Amino acid sequence: AQSVSQHNHHVILSEAASLELGCNYSYGGTVNLFWYVQYPGQHLQLLLKYFSGDPLVKGIKGFEAEFIKSKFSFNLRKPSVQWSDTAEYFCAVNARSKNTDKLIFGTGTRLQVFP
Amino acid sequence: EPEVTQTPSHQVTQMGQEVILRCVPISNHLYFYWYRQILGQKVEFLVSFYNNEISEKSEIFDDQFSVERPDGSNFTLKIRSTKLEDSAMYFCASSEGRSNEKLFFGSGTQLSVL
Repeated sequence: AQSVSQHNHHVILSEAASLELGCNYSYGGTVNLFWYVQYPGQHLQLLLKYFSGDPLVKGIKGFEAEFIKSKFSFNLRKPSVQWSDTAEYFCAVNARSKNTDKLIFGTGTRLQVFP
Repeated sequence: EPEVTQTPSHQVTQMGQEVILRCVPISNHLYFYWYRQILGQKVEFLVSFYNNEISEKSEIFDDQFSVERPDGSNFTLKIRSTKLEDSAMYFCASSEGRSNEKLFFGSGTQLSVL
């Protein structure tokens, strides 16, 4: 069965620190990969996605993620975080080759950024 | 930017009662979804809906659950007889096409079953 693992449950950083959130998935076929963000009291918003092509994808608000197929990973990065990045971050995968459009989510990583 | 709207934002109900969670997807979208997130756990897929029928559902989506698009604008999730373990945040989502490329989520309905 497909699954998504986010190993960092809670990350605390100071402003301007660099961020990397881990995401690994288990599925051997073709996948679409996503990172969603949920700011306090708000809905899930798409940060970035990978469908095909360049494995380094850039999203909104300075975030980027790199798809490493050999490692089944899609880690999220930002070189310098801001206080406004405080939120919950969810990695998700869609097993495209299984002809399904459901998303499988990770458990999320809570990021707290202090000024 | 267009939005998926969910009402109510918070619903409290007694165990055994029926609840209907309402969603207004983005107007030109054709694919509709419900997901839920139990506190402290991951967001889980419940059901997808296209062309007035369920296209996929998870193991969670048992006979107690049903979905409907009653009037061409609303998309509802009904739980016939709620259980304590149904307490969760329920997210509606919609997309134009099937690929999740432009999937929009609502802000969720927090369901509390007492």
